[in-house]
Amino acid sequence: GAVVSQHPSWVICKSGTSVKIECRSLDFQATTMFWYRQFPKQSLMLMATSNEGSKATYEQGVEKDKFLINHASLTLSTLTVTSAHPEDSSFYICSARDFGRGPYNEQFFGPGTRLTVL
Amino acid sequence: SQKIEQNSEALNIQEGKTATLTCNYTNYSPAYLQWYRQDPGRGPVFLLLIRENEKEKRKERLKVTFDTTLKQSLFHITASQPADSATYLCALITGGGADGLTFGKGTHLIIQP
Repeated sequence: GAVVSQHPSWVICKSGTSVKIECRSLDFQATTMFWYRQFPKQSLMLMATSNEGSKATYEQGVEKDKFLINHASLTLSTLTVTSAHPEDSSFYICSARDFGRGPYNEQFFGPGTRLTVL
Repeated sequence: SQKIEQNSEALNIQEGKTATLTCNYTNYSPAYLQWYRQDPGRGPVFLLLIRENEKEKRKERLKVTFDTTLKQSLFHITASQPADSATYLCALITGGGADGLTFGKGTHLIIQP
């Protein structure tokens, strides 16, 4: 089956620093990847849709200047949390859909990245 | 506003029984609905997808129903096992295939031996 990896799996950083999270589709090409955020005991919330070769589309309330998304290739999308603050501490999860199988299929999720901002 | 509700935060079921989880939605007209399993500290894993023109879908011990009139989906696990203990998430996509998913809060299922 399709595999999506994320790196790092966890990261601890100081307030004010920037953190980059990578999301890779390992055995399929993903023209579109998605970034979600999940706070404890809450549901996954879609943050943005990452499109290869073009600008990301952000959900309402998500600051595009704070959460920088780059989708440089068909297998890699990165999320950079700029000037991180403790309230950005969360579980960040990416997903991708294998459009080679048609548009109406499941999304494949990465294992998630636990970000803790001190 | 659009909303997805899953019936309970936690559900305790005895091993061997059938677990039934509910997902209700309002102000959506989803083209299809999906169920995922999430274990602690992990990303969701896809289980089943059901389209708006399908009433029921099965996969091994799993069964999903979709009633677009009631705006409800039921997720059943038959012959439940302790290994089925996890959080189960209902998710909708209302637009085209390029859209992200909107998730319910999830139901934490505990199968007791």
